[in-house]
Amino acid sequence: AQKITQTQPGMFVQEKEAVTLDCTYDTSDQSYGLFWYKQPSSGEMIFLIYQGSYDEQNATEGRYSLNFQKARKSANLVISASQLGDSAMYFCAMTLYDKVIFGPGTSLSVIP
Amino acid sequence: EAQVTQNPRYLITVTGKKLTVTCSQNMNHEYMSWYRQDPGLGLRQIYYSMNVEVTDKGDVPEGYKVSRKEKRNFPLILESPSPNQTSLYFCASSGTSGMGADTQYFGPGTRLTVL
Repeated sequence: AQKITQTQPGMFVQEKEAVTLDCTYDTSDQSYGLFWYKQPSSGEMIFLIYQGSYDEQNATEGRYSLNFQKARKSANLVISASQLGDSAMYFCAMTLYDKVIFGPGTSLSVIP
Repeated sequence: EAQVTQNPRYLITVTGKKLTVTCSQNMNHEYMSWYRQDPGLGLRQIYYSMNVEVTDKGDVPEGYKVSRKEKRNFPLILESPSPNQTSLYFCASSGTSGMGADTQYFGPGTRLTVL
């Protein structure tokens, strides 16, 4: 069954340090997309980064990069130089044809 | 301003009283979707729509109905709400299906409590 796993329910990182949030996915399809979203305490869902299954290079968006390892079926989010405003829930999601599957999320807390 | 709107933002109701949560987008998007968010489970897709008059079930469709009579609107209907439908609901839209780099735009969420 298609599934997204995020094994870190909660994480702490020191301000200005880099942090990696884990995401593994399970699908037998060859064509899919992988997203990361941020949900601050205010509740809105904010798109961070996208990786297509056929993209050969890892996606980057500013301080966010996606470490895509297709053979391992992992799509980890790397946040460089953490800021206090990065404290939030982070969701990994996979799109398959018309459906979208989210992981359970990781709560990130940035410590001053 | 490009946006997805949902109404109401907060709703407390009682078991069995039919309700509708509206969702509207002003981006001429084809794809729209409803999710519910529960602690520890992330977001789960309820229903989605590829275009007008085209809807399909997501992972948790039981107890919900949708319709897509106009491109911009995608209401979520709970005909007989039950307490296990207490949740935070999100509507989202994108230009195409969930595939591709065409990211989904999310509404602000509707917090529903069913007593």
